[in-house]
Amino acid sequence: EVQLVESGGDLVQPGGSLRLSCAVSGFTFSSYWMTWVRQAPGKGLEWVANINQDGGKKYYVDSVNGRFAISRDNAKNSLDLQMNSLRAEDTAVYYCAREAYCSSSGCSEVDFWGQGTLVAVSS
Amino acid sequence: QSVLTQPPSVSAAPGRKVTISCSGNSSNIGNNYVSWYQQFPGTAPKLLIYDNNKRPSGIPDRFYGSKSGTSATLAITGLQTGDEADYYCGTWDSSLSARRVFGGGTKLTVL
Repeated sequence: EVQLVESGGDLVQPGGSLRLSCAVSGFTFSSYWMTWVRQAPGKGLEWVANINQDGGKKYYVDSVNGRFAISRDNAKNSLDLQMNSLRAEDTAVYYCAREAYCSSSGCSEVDFWGQGTLVAVSS
Repeated sequence: QSVLTQPPSVSAAPGRKVTISCSGNSSNIGNNYVSWYQQFPGTAPKLLIYDNNKRPSGIPDRFYGSKSGTSATLAITGLQTGDEADYYCGTWDSSLSARRVFGGGTKLTVL
């Protein structure tokens, strides 16, 4: 059974930092692109970042580029999201998820999602 | 403002059919596969449709996806009260800022 379990969400002040982690099991982690998607309270889904199988390719939505860093540890089956210079608009539930398939043309669907972890940015 | 446009809400009676539209452009829907996700309050999204019209294992054939040009549609037949949820379309956007994009979501109410 595929499982993705996020952790690390918390209340943080504007300008602060937070590191989210995602523990993965039930599939060969090193064979898949992985992604983070967030959802602000009462709002829709917003893709944040994704990373290829060996961590050599990383892509970000413009609004977090330069502030967030996605990384992975294939030996530990874990995915991380380092978030710096946090803003109120970063407040959201952050989902760790698996990209079903990615190529040079882009990625297909997100086929498995974690339960999410809440990040609240407020003074 | 989401890249893909969905109606905020749709409704229909139990047993009826409802459709949810998703509109994009040539950089996203026009040249990439569309997927659909179902989300119940307080839970994670779940993949419902992929590659425009394919269903993952366990998804009933009451859920049907289609795509034409730069638009996609999710149809749900034989509506059940348990289908009340938010539905999101998604695809890849191949423009200069290549990225995954979603619609704003549609809340389905089964009257």
